[in-house]
Amino acid sequence: GESVGLHLPTLSVQEGDNSIINCAYSNSASDYFIWYKQESGKGPQFIIDIRSNMDKRQGQRVTVLLNKTVKHLSLQIAATQPGDSAVYFCAENLEFGNEKLTFGTGTRLTIIP
Amino acid sequence: DSGVTQTPKHLITATGQRVTLRCSPRSGDLSVYWYQQSLDQGLQFLIQYYNGEERAKGNILERFSAQQFPDLHSELNLSSLELGDSALYFCASSVGVGGDIQYFGAGTRLSVL
Repeated sequence: GESVGLHLPTLSVQEGDNSIINCAYSNSASDYFIWYKQESGKGPQFIIDIRSNMDKRQGQRVTVLLNKTVKHLSLQIAATQPGDSAVYFCAENLEFGNEKLTFGTGTRLTIIP
Repeated sequence: DSGVTQTPKHLITATGQRVTLRCSPRSGDLSVYWYQQSLDQGLQFLIQYYNGEERAKGNILERFSAQQFPDLHSELNLSSLELGDSALYFCASSVGVGGDIQYFGAGTRLSVL
């Protein structure tokens, strides 16, 4: 069955360092992936997305890498700042036209000043 | 601010009661999604409406129902509430029917006592 999971539930990174958050998915039919950031008391906030016909996409300080061979997704955050502290979720959309997002369990990123 | 408005922010009620959660999507968005976030289940997709019609359904209990009105706002109705229904309920909206970024509201925290 489909599932989206995360390798690590928590991650602590020194301010200014780069961080990498990983996500494994099991459904090879998934064609769209999204990373969300959720700060305490707030709703998930869109960070970056990637479609299955790509293996890398860059945004501002963030890069998402998609490895379809091993069904792995990662979010890289460059030069982390205190405001990056949050829970990060990867989400999977099974196929275009299927709007259901399946979320991973989340990774809590803590930036150490 | 995502542009998605949810009311109320907090709701405290008793078992067996019925509540209504309200969501106003971003201007121009036709799709509305409802998600439940609990500590043991993570973010779970409940249901999606597109331009007033039910579009996709997740693991939504029969005690729960939703609708989208002509002005595109949506309501999630939860009835015969149980302790286990205590959770954060998020609404998200997107422009179209699939493969679009979903923008989340700040959520409604429901506490069933």
